[in-house]
Amino acid sequence: AQSVAQPEDQVNVAEGNPLTVKCTYSVSGNPYLFWYVQYPNRGLQFLLKYITGDNLVKGSYGFEAEFNKSQTSFHLKKPSALVSDSALYFCARVEAAGNKLTFGGGTRVLVKP
Amino acid sequence: SQTIHQWPATLVQPVGSPLSLECTVEGTSNPNLYWYRQAAGRGLQLLFYSVGIGQISSEVPQNLSASRPQDRQFILSSKKLLLSDSGFYLCAWSVQGAVVGERHFGDGTRLSIL
Repeated sequence: AQSVAQPEDQVNVAEGNPLTVKCTYSVSGNPYLFWYVQYPNRGLQFLLKYITGDNLVKGSYGFEAEFNKSQTSFHLKKPSALVSDSALYFCARVEAAGNKLTFGGGTRVLVKP
Repeated sequence: SQTIHQWPATLVQPVGSPLSLECTVEGTSNPNLYWYRQAAGRGLQLLFYSVGIGQISSEVPQNLSASRPQDRQFILSSKKLLLSDSGFYLCAWSVQGAVVGERHFGDGTRLSIL
């Protein structure tokens, strides 16, 4: 079955340092990949998606993600983290033939001042 | 612009009581609609999705049901709640026909069963 995996439950980073949140996907069909962010007691907010084309995708709030086919990865990155980036981040994948969006288990990001 | 509303924001219900959660979308027509449940602040599980009025697909067998009485209204229901129904329920919409369209989420309902 198609899936995504987020190998880290939590990522801690100091404010101003680069932030990376990892996501890998299983090799099956076309990988249509998404990143979402969730702040406490809120719904998920869309950050960016990869469908085809340029492997570097730019999204909201200064985030970007790099699609790497050889490593089957779609890591989320931000050059300089802010305390306000502390949240729960989800990688997700949609099946091309249906309406299902499958989420990874989530990675909690804590940015310390 | 499009907006999505869910209510109530929080709900405490006794075991065995009925449930009705509502979700409405504004600013778009004929959206795909979804109900997700998030347990323990982590993974999301798709419960139901709908591509049109009266068309509901269920993803997992459970104690819940969904209905879509109007184009932009999606309701999650139960006749008798179980303790295991506790969780954070999220409604979402996406553009009809856009297979890789992003989902847009409401702010959720936190349901606690006592």
